Amino acid sequence: DSGVTQTPKHLITATGQRVTLRCSPRSGDLSVYWYQQSLDQGLQFLIQYYNGEERAKGNILERFSAQQFPDLHSELNLSSLELGDSALYFCASSVGPLAGGHPGTDTQYFGPGTRLTVL
Amino acid sequence: AQKVTQAQTEISVVEKEDVTLDCVYETRDTTYYLFWYKQPPSGELVFLIRRNSFDEQNEISGRYSWNFQKSTSSFNFTITASQVVDSAVYFCALSVPQDTGTASKLTFGTGTRLQVTL
Repeated sequence: DSGVTQTPKHLITATGQRVTLRCSPRSGDLSVYWYQQSLDQGLQFLIQYYNGEERAKGNILERFSAQQFPDLHSELNLSSLELGDSALYFCASSVGPLAGGHPGTDTQYFGPGTRLTVL
Repeated sequence: AQKVTQAQTEISVVEKEDVTLDCVYETRDTTYYLFWYKQPPSGELVFLIRRNSFDEQNEISGRYSWNFQKSTSSFNFTITASQVVDSAVYFCALSVPQDTGTASKLTFGTGTRLQVTL
């Protein structure tokens, strides 16, 4: 158990709908990352937050948005869903730059993922 | 841009055999970090190891060992005396430091599916 929690575990919805995926980082971790794993794209980085602020963006669609709340949990919102959005969505967390050492060395620990199926 | 290549899509071995998973990376950064993650059939991603670019020392952890060679841009993973429980997809990943000081995104390879049979 990595200590990162994600809910729900499974989500089935229809095209055009909107869903929210939730992530709680490990205790003490300030950074949250979202990744998408699909058969055709593999594991792709979507977005990163650090202590409530957006820090980096990957190939995240405009229909997708995220935020990190004061209690450090994060939500990924997916709207106007399409069949191609069906994927496994992972959240990861890491301590952040205050961990010391070289920036970027802190390890990302992944949650169990949310499997989204769009019908 | 960073790139990670795992040329082996799938490997099948019989239990107790040794197996090496290959990983080749590309980056122009002189400081970077390499990782291996395991994704068992249950689906979660499990961290196995992190290696910094300035530390080429190989590492052994039980039946697992990692061979980092900057000269060939490779970070290979060997499982000795494989077991059925080792069956999983294994991902190699790369990150480089961000200017903001926070850990950067992971760039993943396409993964190698390891099947260990009795």
